[in-house]
Amino acid sequence: AQTVTQSQPEMSVQEAETVTLSCTYDTSESDYYLFWYKQPPSRQMILVIRQEAYKQQNATENRFSVNFQKAAKSFSLKISDSQLGDAAMYFCAHTTYGGATNKLIFGTGTLLAVQP
Amino acid sequence: EAQVTQNPRYLITVTGKKLTVTCSQNMNHEYMSWYRQDPGLGLRQIYYSMNVEVTDKGDVPEGYKVSRKEKRNFPLILESPSPNQTSLYFCASSFDRGGPQNTGELFFGEGSRLTVL
Repeated sequence: AQTVTQSQPEMSVQEAETVTLSCTYDTSESDYYLFWYKQPPSRQMILVIRQEAYKQQNATENRFSVNFQKAAKSFSLKISDSQLGDAAMYFCAHTTYGGATNKLIFGTGTLLAVQP
Repeated sequence: EAQVTQNPRYLITVTGKKLTVTCSQNMNHEYMSWYRQDPGLGLRQIYYSMNVEVTDKGDVPEGYKVSRKEKRNFPLILESPSPNQTSLYFCASSFDRGGPQNTGELFFGEGSRLTVL
């Protein structure tokens, strides 16, 4: 069964510093997508970054980047120059590329606090 | 503006009183689904629909019904709500998995906070 594990329920970072959120997953598939979604207090689910498993290059979106280790099934999110607006719950998610549906498997989330 | 719209955003109800949470998307997505979010459990899929008149169970379907009579709408029905259905509910949509526009990404509504007393 596909699973996603986020082992850090809560994290804290100082404004302007860098923080890394961890995520591991389990799948028997070779082609898949991985995502990080951000959920601020407004509860909206916002896509932060997306990685296709067949791409060796790590995805980046401005201050957000990932460290994708396919063999280790690890997909961590690095937030550089943290800002107060980055405070949110972050969910790691996985979906199979060739599956019949677009079902996402989510981790349990990491609550990130940003200290001024 | 491309969006997924859910209503109501907040609802407090009592055990056994039927309710419907509506979901509508304007992106012409074939695929729609419902998730519930609970503390410590992340988001779990309730039901999904690949297209009009095609629906199937997700991981936690007990106590819920859905229908897909139109491509844009995918309501979630709680026939007899119970307190264990108190949760935050999300509707999400995407292009068909096999289509050229599919990126695997789900587009989410703003969530519906349901409390069953």
